Amino acid sequence: TQLLEQSPQFLSIQEGENLTVYCNSSSVFSSLQWYRQEPGEGPVLLVTVVTGGEVKKLKRLTFQFGDARKDSSLHITAAQPGDTGLYLCAGVDSGTYKYIFGTGTRLKVLA
Amino acid sequence: DAGVIQSPRHEVTEMGQEVTLRCKPISGHNSLFWYRQTMMRGLELLIYFNNNVPIDDSGMPEDRFSAKMPNASFSTLKIQPSEPRDSAVYFCASRYSQVSNQPQHFGDGTRLSIL
Repeated sequence: TQLLEQSPQFLSIQEGENLTVYCNSSSVFSSLQWYRQEPGEGPVLLVTVVTGGEVKKLKRLTFQFGDARKDSSLHITAAQPGDTGLYLCAGVDSGTYKYIFGTGTRLKVLA
Repeated sequence: DAGVIQSPRHEVTEMGQEVTLRCKPISGHNSLFWYRQTMMRGLELLIYFNNNVPIDDSGMPEDRFSAKMPNASFSTLKIQPSEPRDSAVYFCASRYSQVSNQPQHFGDGTRLSIL
């Protein structure tokens, strides 16, 4: 069974601080996606990483795919209250095209 | 463009009743996914369709759950009979193609409470 463990599970920080969220698995994925979900809404895609070692930036968010395509990280610089939400990673199985979602990280940024 | 549309947004019913959740995917998308989200288990894939055909239903918890996709613009997830442990938020998502790095687009979910 493929599992994606995210850490930390919960994070509460002050505005302006930096943070990193980790997504780890023992399985190899063909690609990995990061989503953010706000209360009462469905997850919204932030980024897709495909190549081992790939780094993508989205404004203050930096995403990295591990060299072996088993893990990923999300780094937020100078967090803002608008970054508050549930962050989910999702690995895509290359054989079945199924998405395996991570356990989630709940981020709260205090003003 | 309209996103994925789910109905109803909220459903409260008594155990034993039949529940039907509905989803309209984004036009032109040929993959459709049903998920269930709870605090304890996170976001779980129940079933997914490609070109209206069920590809993998291994996540469907029991025979009480069934899903259909009669055409490219409509899908239902049915629970009969419903039980309190089925209470969760159910999401539908669609994707343009089966290519793995295509994004899924989620609806806003149906919050289901079984009393």
